[in-house]
Amino acid sequence: GQQLNQSPQSMFIQEGEDVSMNCTSSSIFNTWLWYKQDPGEGPVLLIALYKAGELTSNGRLTAQFGITRKDSFLNISASIPSDVGIYFCAGHRNGGATNKLIFGTGTLLAVQP
Amino acid sequence: GAVVSQHPSWVICKSGTSVKIECRSLDFQATTMFWYRQFPKQSLMLMATSNEGSKATYEQGVEKDKFLINHASLTLSTLTVTSAHPEDSSFYICSASTTGMSYEQYFGPGTRLTVT
Repeated sequence: GQQLNQSPQSMFIQEGEDVSMNCTSSSIFNTWLWYKQDPGEGPVLLIALYKAGELTSNGRLTAQFGITRKDSFLNISASIPSDVGIYFCAGHRNGGATNKLIFGTGTLLAVQP
Repeated sequence: GAVVSQHPSWVICKSGTSVKIECRSLDFQATTMFWYRQFPKQSLMLMATSNEGSKATYEQGVEKDKFLINHASLTLSTLTVTSAHPEDSSFYICSASTTGMSYEQYFGPGTRLTVT
């Protein structure tokens, strides 16, 4: 099935550093979502973006909906050990027969205390 | 609020047997539930979408006779893997939506299936 391209694939950083990851698509989405998945758990929603150009924050997390509607990025500031996990973007298109999320390939984040 | 549970959290079964996984929305009514499969170090891949009281809609490449989905109530959906084989070993995750829109779904904790 279709997947969105996420980069980087993995990141190994020191505690306190800022992190940036992005997600790109060849086609337009109406909604972008960012999830975090801990090992052996289901994804948890971090941020939802509904409008092109929208910039939304959730604590130390900030995400933006690209103006072209084909990309999104997620920033984490002042990382801490509990930020470790896999981060997935997901896109949704309105209308039509499809009503499903397309997930990105994931970014594995490791934080060294 | 918006808690989704799955049972069991992990299961080991022998090749050729069937296994049922339950997905429940604990504090809300889910008009739509989604079933995903996730192989190690890979992303979530949607298997099927089910609306309460209707037949599930399966994604291309997912065998509907092998992965039986039942969504008999607004709080319960089940996935039965029939005649399981080792290649069916995976992490199965369900999610539930109150609005029916896939961008408003809450995920369960997943079920690890190992077929020996």
